[in-house]
Amino acid sequence: ETGVTQSPTHLIKTRGQQVTLRCSSQSGHNTVSWYQQALGQGPQFIFQYYREEENGRGNFPPRFSGLQFPNYSSELNVNALELDDSALYLCASSLTGRGGELFFGEGSRLTVL
Amino acid sequence: GENVEQHPSTLSVQEGDSAVIKCTYSDSASNYFPWYKQELGKRPQLIIDIRSNVGEKKDQRIAVTLNKTAKHFSLHITETQPEDSAVYFCAAYSPGAGSYQLTFGKGTKLSVIP
Repeated sequence: ETGVTQSPTHLIKTRGQQVTLRCSSQSGHNTVSWYQQALGQGPQFIFQYYREEENGRGNFPPRFSGLQFPNYSSELNVNALELDDSALYLCASSLTGRGGELFFGEGSRLTVL
Repeated sequence: GENVEQHPSTLSVQEGDSAVIKCTYSDSASNYFPWYKQELGKRPQLIIDIRSNVGEKKDQRIAVTLNKTAKHFSLHITETQPEDSAVYFCAAYSPGAGSYQLTFGKGTKLSVIP
């Protein structure tokens, strides 16, 4: 059984640029959620996808967008990067998005200069 | 939306002692409360969870209690070991209308001193 994998593991961008982060969900999981974890903080919910549809969104601006593909892998896109976007971005997959164990990837560490 | 407060932010205990971490939540509709452990540079991993129809759950040295009336839940680790050193996060799941969201606390850094 393959776990949740994310790419890239680290990246550096400059303010105003755009970034795409990728996530492959664990085998058999149809729900993917994305979290932003700033240094020393808990993960903050960005959004959740179930069968290619967004079915939950946290308090993040529209420049944070996502996609889920038919194989349940997912992308997180962030436009017009700001310094405060520097964080660890965690992808998590689950069997159900309705309250159950999340299986996290190792994360993508984004630094915005 | 849901708000989860977690205390303390740091906790140091001697090996073999017990550790208790407490969380409160604001949304009375929240019905699922997991605890995640995150070791330095690693992904968060679920260690125990509890649903709102249960008051207490235990798994070996780890237990979680839930008080729905007071809207708080706690993690108890007994006979702590150095490998328990990590950051622990509580979370609450809110099944809001058309939206599914897990809200995390800010974390507790537990240090177990040998």
